[in-house]
Amino acid sequence: GAVVSQHPSRVICKSGTSVKIECRSLDFQATTMFWYRQFPKQSLMLMATSNEGSKATYEQGVEKDKFLINHASLTLSTLTVTSAHPEDSSFYICSARDRLSLSPLHFGNGTRLTVT
Amino acid sequence: AQSVTQLDSQVPVFEEAPVELRCNYSSSVSVYLFWYVQYPNQGLQLLLKYLSGSTLVKGINGFEAEFNKSQTSFHLRKPSVHISDTAEYFCAVSERNTDKLIFGTGTRLQVFP
Repeated sequence: GAVVSQHPSRVICKSGTSVKIECRSLDFQATTMFWYRQFPKQSLMLMATSNEGSKATYEQGVEKDKFLINHASLTLSTLTVTSAHPEDSSFYICSARDRLSLSPLHFGNGTRLTVT
Repeated sequence: AQSVTQLDSQVPVFEEAPVELRCNYSSSVSVYLFWYVQYPNQGLQLLLKYLSGSTLVKGINGFEAEFNKSQTSFHLRKPSVHISDTAEYFCAVSERNTDKLIFGTGTRLQVFP
């Protein structure tokens, strides 16, 4: 079945550094991918919609210069957290849907980011 | 805009007992409705979805949900839960023909032996 792979699953970084998270659709093509953020024991909040070959669409309140999204191919979207701060520590999850089918969204297993 | 309310943050239940997880939504347009399950430190797995047609939707792992338009609800039910059903459950809504999901705050289902 369709699989979305996220890498890394866990990352620890120091304040001020940047971290890149990858989201890949392994056996399908996705023109659109979604990035969510989940705080401990809270729901998923949509951060942005990643569009292949064009700029991402950010939700209100999400800093686009801090959370850089690149969707360079039909199977890969990346989220870069720039100049990370401890408050950026969170669980980041991506999702994607096969553009050629009516199948539902598939979610990655998430990335646990800890900024020290 | 849409919103989703899951009134129960936690639901404790004994194994083999029935369970209902409540979900209410609000929207000014027609929507699709979903239930997802999340195990610790993992992504989300789709349990079931309502797009149109029969209001009673059956999903994986023995779960089902009923869409009630008049009450704007989409409650999730299982007649007999198992220890392995212990997880976080999220109700979600999207406008028709979009993939943009709005999630509820989640319900932690804890099944005890």
